[in-house]
Amino acid sequence: GAGVSQSPRYKVAKRGQDVALRCDPISGHVSLFWYQQALGQGPEFLTYFQNEAQLDKSGLPSDRFFAERPEGSVSTLKIQRTQQEDSAVYLCASSAWVREDQPQHFGDGTRLSIL
Amino acid sequence: ILNVEQSPQSLHVQEGDSTNFTCSFPSSNFYALHWYRWETAKSPEALFVMTLNGDEKKKGRISATLNTKEGYSYLYIKGSQPEDSATYLCAPKGGNQFYFGTGTSLTVIP
Repeated sequence: GAGVSQSPRYKVAKRGQDVALRCDPISGHVSLFWYQQALGQGPEFLTYFQNEAQLDKSGLPSDRFFAERPEGSVSTLKIQRTQQEDSAVYLCASSAWVREDQPQHFGDGTRLSIL
Repeated sequence: ILNVEQSPQSLHVQEGDSTNFTCSFPSSNFYALHWYRWETAKSPEALFVMTLNGDEKKKGRISATLNTKEGYSYLYIKGSQPEDSATYLCAPKGGNQFYFGTGTSLTVIP
C-alpha cells in the first residue's frame, strides 16, 4: 500500500526499558509529525520534521524522548527508560509539503503499554 | 499552546437525522484548520482543510464552515448514515503545530 506505515502496532515493555517506534511515511512526503494520544484525549503534538531536519521538538515531554529522520524518509521515535505515563497511542503523520493547506496522512499508530 | 474545544463530546442520532458539531479555537495567529474522521481500528482520515475566513467546504453529505474572526468551525452531516459513526477531530494550526481537540464521537443508530 501507499499509506503511512507504523510498526509495531502494539508494544508492551517493562518500566525502565527502551523502546523504538518506526514510521514509514508516504514516499516523497516532506513533512512528518509525531503525536501522542492518551486515553480520552486528542492527539498531542510531539515533534515535526521537514525532510531530515527536526524543526520543532517542543512537544517532546522529556529528554527521554528522541526522534530522528536521518535520510528524510523513515523516522524513529525512541523512548528511553520508559515510565508508566508513557503508555499511549503514538501516531505518525506525513504531508506532501509544508503548506497549511496540505492534509496530514496518518498511520494506524503504535499502542504502547508500559508495565 | 492553542486551547481547542469541541462540542458535544458525544452524540447519538437516528439514521437519517442531520447533525452538526462545533470546534472553537483562539482567533489570533490562525493559519489553517483541518477536520479529520477517525473510525475505530482505523487511522484518522482527512475530511477538510480550511484556511480562509468564510470558507465553506463540502464532500457528499458532509460540509464545514469556518469563522476565523470569532474562532469557530462547524461540521455538518446531512442525513446521517451508520457508516458516519466515528470520532470527528478538528485541528487548527499554530506555528509548526496542529492542536487537536478531543473530538466529537458520533454514533448513528440504524
